[in-house]
Amino acid sequence: SQTIHQWPATLVQPVGSPLSLECTVEGTSNPNLYWYRQAAGRGLQLLFYSVGIGQISSEVPQNLSASRPQDRQFILSSKKLLLSDSGFYLCAWSTSDTQYFGPGTRLTVL
Amino acid sequence: KQEVTQIPAALSVPEGENLVLNCSFTDSAIYNLQWFRQDPGKGLTSLLLIQSSQREQTSGRLNASLDKSSGRSTLYIAASQPGDSATYLCAVPSYSGAGSYQLTFGKGTKLSVIP
Repeated sequence: SQTIHQWPATLVQPVGSPLSLECTVEGTSNPNLYWYRQAAGRGLQLLFYSVGIGQISSEVPQNLSASRPQDRQFILSSKKLLLSDSGFYLCAWSTSDTQYFGPGTRLTVL
Repeated sequence: KQEVTQIPAALSVPEGENLVLNCSFTDSAIYNLQWFRQDPGKGLTSLLLIQSSQREQTSGRLNASLDKSSGRSTLYIAASQPGDSATYLCAVPSYSGAGSYQLTFGKGTKLSVIP
């Protein structure tokens, strides 16, 4: 069966510090992968998606970036965090019909 | 651009009550609609997926309906239990030419079932 992992589970970072969140999927090959952010009162927002290694599509302009160095690894990064980057970050992979979500990372930027 | 709205934003009911959560979407040309559950601080769990050709989908005490023409879906929960307390989100996909699709989510309905 397929499993999706995210780490860290929680993170507290100062403004201006770098960020690296990692997502890995097991039990499937060549998955479509997604990064979402869930901020208070704003719902779930798609940030990036990837249909293959090195292929990244960005949905919103921001100071975040994503990379897919391996088939089942998806990384969300920032060089300098902003207060507005605080939120709950969710990684997901998809079949043709549905998406399966990881446990999420709670990021607090102070 | 697809927009998804969920009403109410929050709902509190006594245990045992039947309840309905509402979801509306602006673009009726959808392939399917999905309902998710999210427990506090957790990821999303898929509950029901309704294809555009279907009108209803059932799983246990959950029943989801879809009316594409009116841009609406409802999630019916029968005989609610405290364990049903969570946020319920609906989502519709938009397919891209890159072989992927994106889900547009509503902001969710936070359900509290009081023992």
